[in-house]
Amino acid sequence: NAGVTQTPKFQVLKTGQSMTLQCAQDMNHNSMYWYRQDPGMGLRLIYYSASEGTTDKGEVPNGYNVSRLNKREFSLRLESAAPSQTSVYFCASKEGNANTEAFFGQGTRLTVV
Amino acid sequence: GENVEQHPSTLSVQEGDSAVIKCTYSDSASNYFPWYKQELGKGPQLIIDIRSNVGEKKDQRIAVTLNKTAKHFSLHITETQPEDSAVYFCAASKSGGSYIPTFGRGTSLIVHP
Repeated sequence: NAGVTQTPKFQVLKTGQSMTLQCAQDMNHNSMYWYRQDPGMGLRLIYYSASEGTTDKGEVPNGYNVSRLNKREFSLRLESAAPSQTSVYFCASKEGNANTEAFFGQGTRLTVV
Repeated sequence: GENVEQHPSTLSVQEGDSAVIKCTYSDSASNYFPWYKQELGKGPQLIIDIRSNVGEKKDQRIAVTLNKTAKHFSLHITETQPEDSAVYFCAASKSGGSYIPTFGRGTSLIVHP
């Protein structure tokens, strides 16, 4: 059972570089989410996709874009990385239209220098 | 939107003691309250949840209580063990819309042998 798979696990970027964080789930979930985790700040929602073909902004969307490529995959793109985007990024998925358990990936630790 | 406050941010106990983590929420429409455990280097994982039609739920050494009137809920861990050391997150969500969980800032629990 793979669950939610994120790649890469670690990444170092220079300021201004771009990159895409990949996320895939094999549980046939409709809803997928991207969170960032910073010390003392908990998990803050960047973007979410309630179903295939839809995406919406969360609490901290500035500097990011997302693509719901299909039901399985939801990617997060940093067009021009900034040091403030140094963080641990988590992708999560859950059944849509229900209050149920969210399943998280292992995270991507991103450092922007 | 929903706001979830979590206390304390750090909790240090001796093995065998009990630990209590408290959360408050702002949206009276919230009706689902999960708790997640995040071990070092991993993504959060659900350990217990409670719905608004229930006041208390137990699962072995962990229990969650909910006070809808006061809009607060708590996680209780009894007979703590070193393997309980982790970061714990509370969350709240409501039916309708996109069922997005809003997380507290997390509690780092340290259990000393």
